[in-house]
Amino acid sequence: EVQLVQSGAELKKPGESLKISCKGSGFNFSNSWIVWVRQMPGKGLEWMGIIYPGDSDTRYNPSFRGQVTISADKSTSTAYLQWGRLKASDTAMYYCARGWYRSSSVRWFDPWGPGTLVTVSS
Amino acid sequence: DIVMTQSPLSLPVTPGEPASISCRSSQSLLHSHGFHCLNWYLQKPGQSPQLLIYLGSNRASGIPDRFSGSGSGTDFTLKISRVEAEDVGVYYCMQALRTPFTFGGGTKVEIK
Repeated sequence: EVQLVQSGAELKKPGESLKISCKGSGFNFSNSWIVWVRQMPGKGLEWMGIIYPGDSDTRYNPSFRGQVTISADKSTSTAYLQWGRLKASDTAMYYCARGWYRSSSVRWFDPWGPGTLVTVSS
Repeated sequence: DIVMTQSPLSLPVTPGEPASISCRSSQSLLHSHGFHCLNWYLQKPGQSPQLLIYLGSNRASGIPDRFSGSGSGTDFTLKISRVEAEDVGVYYCMQALRTPFTFGGGTKVEIK
């Protein structure tokens, strides 16, 4: 069974750092794309970026470039999303998903992980 | 960026009746290889999103055939032939023609 398991909820203070994870199983993680999507409280979905764990090729949504870092460890089939200095506005649910490739780009996301809730509050 | 606009914002439905959601993109989503880069997702209450339809009209694995996707160019439609109680949630369209990938604002489907 294809599965993505995400790390647990986090409560952090502004200015702190954080790294959340997404572990894949049931598929060839190294040869797949992993995407990250943000959902702020009561809001819609925003694509943050994608990574190809096989060679760590990473693409960012310009809106998130410089704000977060996406990485992956193919040896443990795990992708990561990290922040250097959190802000209250980073409070959101963060989903990872497997990206499917067609004609030189990722074209759809399936399945999605359960999400990691990040709360940033003083 | 490609802007995705969904309508309606809210859709009260009666079980057993059909339902339809519209999605419009700010530019054509037709890929040069002949497919449309438009997907539909459903986020049920308290759950993560799930893929319903990919590349315009292809049902994802395990999705009932009461769900169908159609459209071309900039105008797309998700249809539910007979709504069931389990279909409630927020439906999102998403374009994957070019990055940054963008989602519509969502359509909340609820039972009357």
